[in-house]
Amino acid sequence: TQLLEQSPQFLSIQEGENLTVYCNSSSVFSSLQWYRQEPGEGPVLLVTVVTGGEVKKLKRLTFQFGDARKDSSLHITAAQTGDTGLYLCALRGNAGGTSYGKLTFGQGTILTVHP
Amino acid sequence: ETGVTQTPRHLVMGMTNKKSLKCEQHLGHNAMYWYKQSAKKPLELMFVYSLEERVENNSVPSRFSPECPNSSHLFLHLHTLQPEDSALYLCASSQDRGTRGGYTFGSGTRLTVV
Repeated sequence: TQLLEQSPQFLSIQEGENLTVYCNSSSVFSSLQWYRQEPGEGPVLLVTVVTGGEVKKLKRLTFQFGDARKDSSLHITAAQTGDTGLYLCALRGNAGGTSYGKLTFGQGTILTVHP
Repeated sequence: ETGVTQTPRHLVMGMTNKKSLKCEQHLGHNAMYWYKQSAKKPLELMFVYSLEERVENNSVPSRFSPECPNSSHLFLHLHTLQPEDSALYLCASSQDRGTRGGYTFGSGTRLTVV
């Protein structure tokens, strides 16, 4: 079973600051997904990264997949209070094998953006 | 509107009660999942149904019993639960069985066992 480690576990910042959260594994991912979960709701998919070195942007959010496909980062520029939530990374499948589609989640980063 | 609807949103039940959680999706997805989310723990996969057939059961106690009568509906039947079963139960669906598609989650059922 692959384990995902996310850091930091908690992040409390002021509006306008930049931040980065990380997701790491000792094994290679075939693809990695980032989700955001707001209180009282289910996680919502933000992005899927597939190719080593891939960078995807979603407005103020920048997602990067490590060259070796064992790590990923999420960078938020000029954070807003609406960015507050739980950020989860999840891997789906193994590079060398098949997995019918099961997602394994990291423990998440709880982000609080203060006005 | 997430596309996956869970009912009820909140449930309080005694340890001797029997209740059911319901999940419904009309996204045309062919796989459905139950996850348990507890405080300070990663999301835990409980059950997976693909094309209405249960394909995974992650050592979940028998007091949790899933049912998937068709590709749009998924139930989780609960009986004689324990207080440690209190958690947010999330249902999700996905289109494919491959390794790239995302999941669509419902808003969850907040379960409290007293």
